[in-house]
Amino acid sequence: KQEVTQIPAALSVPEGENLVLNCSFTDSAIYNLQWFRQDPGKGLTSLLLIQSSQREQTSGRLNASLDKSSGRSTLYIAASQPGDSATYLCASISSGSARQLTFGSGTQLTVLP
Amino acid sequence: DADVTQTPRNRITKTGKRIMLECSQTKGHDRMYWYRQDPGLGLRLIYYSFDVKDINKGEISDGYSVSRQAQAKFSLSLESAIPNQTALYFCATSGPGQRETQYFGPGTRLLVL
Repeated sequence: KQEVTQIPAALSVPEGENLVLNCSFTDSAIYNLQWFRQDPGKGLTSLLLIQSSQREQTSGRLNASLDKSSGRSTLYIAASQPGDSATYLCASISSGSARQLTFGSGTQLTVLP
Repeated sequence: DADVTQTPRNRITKTGKRIMLECSQTKGHDRMYWYRQDPGLGLRLIYYSFDVKDINKGEISDGYSVSRQAQAKFSLSLESAIPNQTALYFCATSGPGQRETQYFGPGTRLLVL
């Protein structure tokens, strides 16, 4: 059974800092890995999806990397802003036909002005 | 208009009552999913469906049932609600051609008294 862990559970940084969120998974036979953002009381917004054959994906100030062999992914946020404050979730997508997502419990990020 | 909608957005019910949560999507996706989110536990898969004739149990299906009324509609029922089913419920959809990215609805907050 796939298990996904996110460290740290919470993070508080001053505005302008670059930061890294970590995600690890136990079963490296994944199809894709997806990073989401969740604002309080809201649904999930997909940020980046990395296919298993890729090493990284970039969108604006966000860069996500994937190392399947070590079971790790990182989300790098450059020049953080107060608007980046949210909970960030990573999820592995299984290789089976179900394409099931297994979520980590998230990292709650606060960017202080 | 949102691609994935959920009704109701909030619901309070009593132990033993039957309730239904509804999900509709306009993305034309075949795959639909129901998840629940509990504080500190991330999201867990309840049921998923690949098409109208295909329903599959997820990680935590006990106490729940689903109905896929049409390609665009997938409902989740709690036959006899219990307090530990208090949670935030999300519907999601995915389809081929978009690298299996899952798109989430805004969520339904359920409180069982």
